[in-house]
Amino acid sequence: NAGVTQTPKFQVLKTGQSMTLQCAQDMNHEYMSWYRQDPGMGLRLIHYSVGAGITDQGEVPNGYNVSRSTTEDFPLRLLSAAPSQTSVYFCASSVRYEYNEQFFGPGTRLTVL
Amino acid sequence: AQKITQTQPGMFVQEKEAVTLDCTYDTSDQSYGLFWYKQPSSGEMIFLIYQGSYDEQNATEGRYSLNFQKARKSANLVISASQLGDSAMYFCAMREYENMKTSYDKVIFGPGTSLSVIP
Repeated sequence: NAGVTQTPKFQVLKTGQSMTLQCAQDMNHEYMSWYRQDPGMGLRLIHYSVGAGITDQGEVPNGYNVSRSTTEDFPLRLLSAAPSQTSVYFCASSVRYEYNEQFFGPGTRLTVL
Repeated sequence: AQKITQTQPGMFVQEKEAVTLDCTYDTSDQSYGLFWYKQPSSGEMIFLIYQGSYDEQNATEGRYSLNFQKARKSANLVISASQLGDSAMYFCAMREYENMKTSYDKVIFGPGTSLSVIP
């Protein structure tokens, strides 16, 4: 049972480049979410999904796209990276509509130059 | 709108002493869940404890307890008998959802408190 996995662990991009952060879980969780963590600001919700084909915006969705074609995968796309998107990105999953804790991936450290 | 406030950016505690980390929240929902997570310097997020809005008793998990005061909208984490390994960032989080017919199901976090345990 791998839990929540994220790839890559580290990434450096140039301004304007695009990339996809991968997230996968093997716990059959319907709920998945993406956060970014910046110093002094905690974790801010980017997008979340309550099941395949259903996504919704979080607190800071601008500049990011998501899709959910399967229960297992929830990729996060940066279409045109900006230095303001330099951050640590966490993916999480949990049981849907229950007050259970989220399980987090190890994070991806992204630097945009 | 959901909001979590943690007013203590940094805290110090002597080893073996107890410490309280503050968390206040804002919500218009009657039904919600409150969580505390620990993030050590290695970066992983570790779930500590959960409190449901309808739970009448404060949650406890080992050395962790949650002091839940619903009328004050506060959910403070109490760590008893602090250990050096407790040095970490601590985040309070809240989950709201409407019902199973909508996709609204958000978990938001506060800015965190950095706890340092002094030997």
